[in-house]
Amino acid sequence: SQQGEEDPQALSIQEGENATMNCSYKTSINNLQWYRQNSGRGLVHLILIRSNEREKHSGRLRVTLDTSKKSSSLLITASRAADTASYFCATRETSGSRLTFGEGTQLTVNP
Amino acid sequence: EAGVAQSPRYKIIEKRQSVAFWCNPISGHATLYWYQQILGQGPKLLIQFQNNGVVDDSQLPKDRFSAERLKGVDSTLKIQPAKLEDSAVYLCASSPSGTGHSNQPQHFGDGTRLSIL
Repeated sequence: SQQGEEDPQALSIQEGENATMNCSYKTSINNLQWYRQNSGRGLVHLILIRSNEREKHSGRLRVTLDTSKKSSSLLITASRAADTASYFCATRETSGSRLTFGEGTQLTVNP
Repeated sequence: EAGVAQSPRYKIIEKRQSVAFWCNPISGHATLYWYQQILGQGPKLLIQFQNNGVVDDSQLPKDRFSAERLKGVDSTLKIQPAKLEDSAVYLCASSPSGTGHSNQPQHFGDGTRLSIL
């Protein structure tokens, strides 16, 4: 079963706006990762946040993690048309080595 | 560095036929994963190899799916016989191994899109 649940399922914004995607999970985790998938392509790793971290930045990406609420958010600032893709959160549980993916958020950035 | 290579990119077969997919991971990556991604869903792990040994195959439908990584480098995933519900994209990924590997990202190939008629 899928551990992570992304919200919203789909998001449509204008170029230059910020995009926020949320992820909730159920069990204790070692880390949480965000991946991007362009149509017809494989997943590309964006950012990893460890369970003892609360916030992480990478370029225009900002990820937060709240382990008490078992939730994470991905913020993309100043979005571009090229950011159009599906975004997945994935959790690595403390009890195993498997990476479990959520259902994804489909982001459309309109030029 | 060269990425994860997968072939074929597309495959169309009839139900009850067999099919095989091939994956060549990034050079030096000891861990190899096969995922199934059904349209509109996230990837689901089928099997994980560490070198040529199986680490996790708990979600692999073993009555019809098999995978091998005999020399600890490239890998094949086979479905025999295929069912309509197997229509999906099959993704291969690899990652380094060793201390702290749980914090290493996975690198994905572009997948094989399988359609069952």
